[in-house]
Amino acid sequence: DVKVTQSSRYLVKRTGEKVFLECVQDMDHENMFWYRQDPGLGLRLIYFSYDVKMKEKGDIPEGYSVSREKKERFSLILESASTNQTSMYLCASSKIQQGRRVYEQYFGPGTRLTVT
Amino acid sequence: GDSVTQMEGPVTLSEEAFLTINCTYTATGYPSLFWYVQYPGEGLQLLLKATKADDKGSNKGFEATYRKETTSFHLEKGSVQVSDSAVYFCALSVNTDKLIFGTGTRLQVFP
Repeated sequence: DVKVTQSSRYLVKRTGEKVFLECVQDMDHENMFWYRQDPGLGLRLIYFSYDVKMKEKGDIPEGYSVSREKKERFSLILESASTNQTSMYLCASSKIQQGRRVYEQYFGPGTRLTVT
Repeated sequence: GDSVTQMEGPVTLSEEAFLTINCTYTATGYPSLFWYVQYPGEGLQLLLKATKADDKGSNKGFEATYRKETTSFHLEKGSVQVSDSAVYFCALSVNTDKLIFGTGTRLQVFP
């Protein structure tokens, strides 16, 4: 059974703290993604990685950074957490596109982060 | 830019009712289209997809047809169950591994 796991389901942090969200996939996928999910806004892509040490900014990268040192692990880092980063964070992975074929993304259960 | 527009929810139905959730898109190329579902407390999972015009995706009694002339990919089910209560997301990709999602539509089904 394919699996994407995230380090925490719920997290509470204080303003200004450095926050690490971890994601691990066991499917040997090349692609990994970090999204945030907010009511009325759907899912917005923060960062995307298509290989180890390779990354690409998404639609809302400000205030975030990422790290991918191993193929199966993709970390999202909030350098200095702020209250407007309170959200649900979803990690996903997929195989890399081949020709016109786009493969489905597999999602983790999400981390609900509250910054106070 | 490319975008997806979904009907706002919540959609509230009685069990065995007919479901339609509207989705329209704007894309510069020829997109692949997807419906993902998010059950309470879980991440998203792929429900169905279609990769070219007039394709019909189907799964678990849900269907959606890729309509290029109306740039639509509406989700339908003939008879919903309480267990279908979830948030449904329409999404597209155009020659990339990245997906663009709609805002999601919450479906509530009552017995």
